[in-house]
Amino acid sequence: ETGVTQSPTHLIKTRGQQVTLRCSSQSGHNTVSWYQQALGQGPQFIFQYYREEENGRGNFPPRFSGLQFPNYSSELNVNALELDDSALYLCASGRDREYTEAFFGQGTRLTVV
Amino acid sequence: AQSVSQHNHHVILSEAASLELGCNYSYGGTVNLFWYVQYPGQHLQLLLKYFSGDPLVKGIKGFEAEFIKSKFSFNLRKPSVQWSDTAEYFCAVSGNTGKLIFGQGTTLQVKP
Repeated sequence: ETGVTQSPTHLIKTRGQQVTLRCSSQSGHNTVSWYQQALGQGPQFIFQYYREEENGRGNFPPRFSGLQFPNYSSELNVNALELDDSALYLCASGRDREYTEAFFGQGTRLTVV
Repeated sequence: AQSVSQHNHHVILSEAASLELGCNYSYGGTVNLFWYVQYPGQHLQLLLKYFSGDPLVKGIKGFEAEFIKSKFSFNLRKPSVQWSDTAEYFCAVSGNTGKLIFGQGTTLQVKP
């Protein structure tokens, strides 16, 4: 166990809908990153938050947005869902902005139909 | 462009066989290198990591990896695999920001 928890574990949404995924970081960690792992692929970096501010973003459109709260938990929001958004979404936390080791949650499996 | 390439997509071995999974990276500046494992239904777990120092690093469960800077490689090895090593293996690279760039993964199937 890493101490990083994600909810829900599975989710089915319809194309065009919006979804919010949640992540609780490991105790003492103030940085959280989100990754998308499509079937048969490695995780792709979506964005990172450090102390409630976005600290870097990967090649994802603006309909992917996030929040980090004062307790360092985090949300990933995806608007106007597309079929290709179907994937495992992973949250990883770390200590401080320049952390060098990420601790991953079990992920949320999102299916868009 | 920053990238990680894993040579083998699917590897099938018998128990007690030796394992070597290839990983090459393209990354400017200081690199930190990782191997993660994902067992079926479980979260990504860190097998081992290289930040600096001895290029031969040892990880959990008898795994080791060697960083060869001149070849931009970080290959994973294990002398004798077990059925319980069946999993997906990911090589990853980062700078000092925690933003990981992953390879596409290698599925290892170990036959008992």
